[in-house]
Amino acid sequence: KAGVTQTPRYLIKTRGQQVTLSCSPISGHRSVSWYQQTPGQGLQFLFEYFSETQRNKGNFPGRFSGRQFSNSRSEMNVSTLELGDSALYLCASSLEGPSSGNTIYFGEGSWLTVV
Amino acid sequence: TQLLEQSPQFLSIQEGENLTVYCNSSSVFSSLQWYRQEPGEGPVLLVTVVTGGEVKKLKRLTFQFGDARKDSSLHITAAQPGDTGLYLCAGFWGSARQLTFGSGTQLTVLP
Repeated sequence: KAGVTQTPRYLIKTRGQQVTLSCSPISGHRSVSWYQQTPGQGLQFLFEYFSETQRNKGNFPGRFSGRQFSNSRSEMNVSTLELGDSALYLCASSLEGPSSGNTIYFGEGSWLTVV
Repeated sequence: TQLLEQSPQFLSIQEGENLTVYCNSSSVFSSLQWYRQEPGEGPVLLVTVVTGGEVKKLKRLTFQFGDARKDSSLHITAAQPGDTGLYLCAGFWGSARQLTFGSGTQLTVLP
């Protein structure tokens, strides 16, 4: 079956702009989580959505937001981009959500460069 | 905030050598997972350990969960160039559905 699909794969934005990233989970998966990966901070949890509701949120400023649609597809948005937002943004899907009993599957990520 | 410390941060070895990567926390995990990430791809789950003292094997990889469930190790026997990648440990605490990742160990196996 198809894996987790993220678009776009690469993008370059200017400081102050906003960006929207998209994630299509594995068919049948209702949970979508987003992570930011940088060389300095590693993989950090942004938020998790389940059945269109944000169920968990990490320690990121309000400029980072997301949503999930009825078909489980998810988008995340970053407004007023800063240079430090340059990172690999990873989406992960699972049947019921991250837990020891549920495997989460990551997409290949969206590489965002802010100049 | 739960912290996971991984060591070493970087490891470069020759093909055929053995290695061990460590993952430590000051808090007790409810469970811990190990992932491998290759360049240009997302992390892929290797194993989940739940019980203190648990040992799991995946071909040449051996994963151990500490008795107190505060630490874990990954041992690779006779490393091969195909083992090259970023190895990440990630833990769950209590009933939280938030997966917290360690900083990772970048392994390079030279032919």
